[in-house]
This record gives sequence, C-alpha cells and structure tokens, in this order.
Amino acid sequence: GNSVTQMEGPVTLSEEAFLTINCTYTATGYPSLFWYVQYPGEGLQLLLKATKADDKGSNKGFEATYRKETTSFHLEKGSVQVSDSAVYFCALRNAGGTSYGKLTFGQGTILTVHP
Amino acid sequence: DGGITQSPKYLFRKEGQNVTLSCEQNLNHDAMYWYRQDPGQGLRLIYYSQIVNDFQKGDIAEGYSVSREKKESFPLTVTSAQKNPTAFYLCASSTTGGRHSNQPQHFGDGTRLSIL
Repeated sequence: GNSVTQMEGPVTLSEEAFLTINCTYTATGYPSLFWYVQYPGEGLQLLLKATKADDKGSNKGFEATYRKETTSFHLEKGSVQVSDSAVYFCALRNAGGTSYGKLTFGQGTILTVHP
Repeated sequence: DGGITQSPKYLFRKEGQNVTLSCEQNLNHDAMYWYRQDPGQGLRLIYYSQIVNDFQKGDIAEGYSVSREKKESFPLTVTSAQKNPTAFYLCASSTTGGRHSNQPQHFGDGTRLSIL
C-alpha cells in the first residue's frame, strides 16, 4: 500500500535559517504529491503540489521537487520567519486506479522558528 | 467566498452519548472526507463519500457513522461505541476523477472533541 515518511521532529530554527523537511514515499503508479501546513488550532492549508516527476511546486518561498528516482519530495525554504512556525504534512494521492482522491499523510513535522 | 465550514469548534461528550459533528461545503465538490488527528500523529481517514447517498469506510471507521443526503453536507456521528473519541476532527472535500484526480483536498478548520 501507499505510505509517506517524514523526517522526525520537532525542528527548531532561528529566523532567516535554511529549512529542509525530508519526505519520502512508497506508492504504486504515479502519485501526485502535496505539502500541507497546519497553524495552531486550525485545519490544513495546501502549501504546494507537484503532479509529475521533476515538477517543482513553490509557494510563499517554499519549494519542493518531485524526485521519482529517489521517491522523495523534500520541502525547502531559504530563509524562515517566525510566522512559518506550524506543523507541516507531506501527502500523496494516486492519480490512477480508483479516483476518489484518498490522501495518504506523513506523521507531520513541527517547525518552531525563534526570533 | 467558497469553503468548508465545520461546527462546532469545540464539543464535549458525556460517557455513553452520541454526538454529531457538522461539515458543510459550498465548493461544489463531489467528494468529502472525515479525518481524525491525534497529538503527534498524522491524519487518519474515518469515512469518505464520492457522491450523494454513497459512502465508504476509511481506515478507522469503528465507532463512527456518517450520512450524505446532500452534496453540500457530510455529518459525522461519534457513537458511544467509540471508546477513545478525544481528538481533533477534520473534514475535507475535493473534485473527483479524470483530469481532477490530481487536485488537492480542501480542509475545514476542525472540531475538537473532548470527553467530560
């Protein structure tokens, strides 16, 4: 079955530091990949997505590249801000087979950014 | 603005009581989902529905029930059979099928359920 593995957290950084959150996956076929962000007490918001190999998703200074050869979708940001403190989830969705759009999530990575 | 509305934001349940969480969407999405989130864990799928009057069990359906009588609404009932219901519950929706199969799910702001 499908699975998503994220680097263990929590991750604590100083403002303006470089961020990497690792994500690897196991899936059949050609999944679409997503990063979601969850701020305290809120639901999940889509941060970025990539739908095929070598696609790069980007939003708000965050980037992730769909690497089929390493089955990875690592999240990066060159300079984090205090407002980036949140929980980040990597997820995949199969584009083929059944089309109900079930997502498989990683366990989430807590990011805390200090001034 | 289009979106997903979950209510209430906080809910308390007494032992042996059923409670119902509301989820409404005005995005015209066919598919809707319920997830459970526990501290330090990812999201686990409880139930999902691809179309009105049809729904399927997810990975942790025991102790829960749903209905899908309208496209816009997908309420979740936490029954007394669910022995550990304290969690954060998230509802989501998405388009389905064909060229929409790579589209993301949109989430509500969640309901936090606690036991009295």
